[in-house]
Amino acid sequence: QQQVKQSPQSLIVQKGGISIINCAYENTAFDYFPWYQQFPGKGPALLIAIRPDVSEKKEGRFTISFNKSAKQFSLHIMDSQPGDSATYFCAASREGSARQLTFGSGTQLTVLP
Amino acid sequence: NAGVTQTPKFQVLKTGQSMTLQCAQDMNHNSMYWYRQDPGMGLRLIYYSASEGTTDKGEVPNGYNVSRLNKREFSLRLESAAPSQTSVYFCASSVISGGGYGYTFGSGTRLTVV
Repeated sequence: QQQVKQSPQSLIVQKGGISIINCAYENTAFDYFPWYQQFPGKGPALLIAIRPDVSEKKEGRFTISFNKSAKQFSLHIMDSQPGDSATYFCAASREGSARQLTFGSGTQLTVLP
Repeated sequence: NAGVTQTPKFQVLKTGQSMTLQCAQDMNHNSMYWYRQDPGMGLRLIYYSASEGTTDKGEVPNGYNVSRLNKREFSLRLESAAPSQTSVYFCASSVISGGGYGYTFGSGTRLTVV
């Protein structure tokens, strides 16, 4: 059972455009929603995260929008750059001793110059 | 450099062989994790250790064992490798403090079982 569903699987955007990646979750106990960025040959790195008590969080060109009632959250990358080309994973976790993360299946973003 | 170090980076095994993937972190994190990454499936949790001396199964533990050797080190062992275990394996560590926390991942071990 996939608890965090991510779409699209791949995304191509022109430089300067907006990239949007969506995720939906099933477990209402989740209370922490991070996004990770992964470049080829590297491990994932934390990009931005949100808790369900806010509907939006912005850090530079990256924004998370969160809809608790719909159990959905999304990543928006404004003014997308070729250097943003990477694989993006959404994730979720709930209260627990180790806060294990459950990941979405990933989105491969390509930003064309 | 501070972070999570995984060894080896690449490995080819024959079916039935055993091996241990090593992971060490120098950030004094309490929790450590092993994930596998397969195309189209994201990262799936194999085992985790909330703190030194404890380990627990994740989503896909079959065919694996782990050891939390001390606070720094968390190893993953394949006792009898199978082609289905061909994957990229990531170790991570995290610290939970206050209202926030984050995972730090190693650079991965690419394992091929033939």
